[in-house]
Amino acid sequence: QSVLTQPPSASGTPGQRVTISCSGSSSNIGSNTVNWYQQLPGTAPKLLIYSNNQRPSGVPDRFSGSKSGTSASLAISGLQSEDEADYYCAAWDDSLNGHVVFGGGTKLTVL
Amino acid sequence: QVQLVQSGAEVKKPGSSVKVSCKASGGTFSSYAISWVRQAPGQGLEWMGGIIPIFGTANYAQKFQGRVTITTDESTSTAYMELSSLRSEDTAVYYCARDRVSAVVNRGYSYDFDYWGQGTLVTVSS
Repeated sequence: QSVLTQPPSASGTPGQRVTISCSGSSSNIGSNTVNWYQQLPGTAPKLLIYSNNQRPSGVPDRFSGSKSGTSASLAISGLQSEDEADYYCAAWDDSLNGHVVFGGGTKLTVL
Repeated sequence: QVQLVQSGAEVKKPGSSVKVSCKASGGTFSSYAISWVRQAPGQGLEWMGGIIPIFGTANYAQKFQGRVTITTDESTSTAYMELSSLRSEDTAVYYCARDRVSAVVNRGYSYDFDYWGQGTLVTVSS
C-alpha cells in the first residue's frame, strides 16, 4: 500500500488531454513539493515535473503539474502514443524520521 | 552529460548481503546527493535512503534502518548500496538516482532525481 494514492490506470486517445491524480496527507504533499516521474517499459524513471509545476529542460510543455492542499495532479495535453508509460508522483514525507514516498503508479494507455 | 552506471545483476541466497555500485561521470560528484530507489517486479518505486558525498552522512528510510548501508568513494565518483539479511522480498531492480540541485546550493537534499542509473536486478533465491 503506497503512501501516495494514484489511480492504477488512465487512458486517452491521441490529441486528448488526460489528468492523473495523486492524493497524500499533511505530512507529505500538504507540506512539501511534489515531483512526477515517467517510466517507459524496461527503463529507469525520468523526472517529468519537479517542485509541483516545474519542467526540467527538454520536457515538452504538454506536461504540466499542479498542487492544491494534500493533492496533486499531472496533466498531459495533446496526448501522443509515446506518452504510454507508467507515471509516479513523489514527495518528501516528514513522518518516520523523514523519507521520500511514491505513489503506486498510474499506467497510461494511449488508445 | 551526467551518467550513472551501475554494476551488473546479482543472484543471492537468503540471509546473505549484496553490494551494488553506481559510478558517476560527467559532473561534480561530491556536491550532489545520491539516493537509492528499488522496484520489485511489477511494483512501484520505493526509496531506501540517500547520501551527500561531500558531507559523508547517509539517511535511511526507517523500513531499511539497520539493514542498508550507503557509502561513497569520492576518489572514483562511486556510490554504493549494501543490503544485508536478504530475503525473497528484496528481489527487485535497484536504481541509484542523483538530486537535481547541488546539496551545497540547496543546503541539503532536494529529493528530485534528474539522473538515474540503468538499474541492477538483484534476485534473492535459495
